[in-house]
Amino acid sequence: KNQVEQSPQSLIILEGKNCTLQCNYTVSPFSNLRWYKQDTGRGPVSLTIMTFSENTKSNGRYTATLDADTKQSSLHITASQLSDSASYICVVSSSYNTDKLIFGTGTRLQVFP
Amino acid sequence: EAQVTQNPRYLITVTGKKLTVTCSQNMNHEYMSWYRQDPGLGLRQIYYSMNVEVTDKGDVPEGYKVSRKEKRNFPLILESPSPNQTSLYFCASSFLAGALTDTQYFGPGTRLTVL
Repeated sequence: KNQVEQSPQSLIILEGKNCTLQCNYTVSPFSNLRWYKQDTGRGPVSLTIMTFSENTKSNGRYTATLDADTKQSSLHITASQLSDSASYICVVSSSYNTDKLIFGTGTRLQVFP
Repeated sequence: EAQVTQNPRYLITVTGKKLTVTCSQNMNHEYMSWYRQDPGLGLRQIYYSMNVEVTDKGDVPEGYKVSRKEKRNFPLILESPSPNQTSLYFCASSFLAGALTDTQYFGPGTRLTVL
């Protein structure tokens, strides 16, 4: 069964610190992986999209990595800010059915001053 | 401004009273989709549409209907709402669903409470 699992479920860090969120997937055959940021009560916003040939992609202080062999991805946030407090959702697409996006349940990040 | 709009943003209703949540996008996107989001379960797809007059079931379609008569609009219909449909609903659109480098744009959400 195609699944996307994220860890940790929640994370608390202090402003200015770095953190890394994890995403493991069993989706096959793999097409692409996305990371979304979702502020409380708002729609998700795309951060990065990576295909199997890409190992890393950055968007400002956000850097996503992908290991297609181990089916793992991570999202690294550098020098966290209060505005980074949000849920981060990993989404994977299969090349077998690109109509379907498989969502992880997200990691809830809280950044405190 | 490119955007996906949903209405209403908040709705409280009673069991069995038919309701429609509208969704509209101004980006000429082919693909539109509805999701519900519940605590601990993440986003789950209800229905999606690849183009006008083309709709298909997602993971949790029971109790919902959709239509795609125009490219820009994709309303979600609850013929007889029940309390287990209390949730936060998101509409989304993109040129293609999972195509490489294609970004999916989400609406602001509709918080529905069924009493």
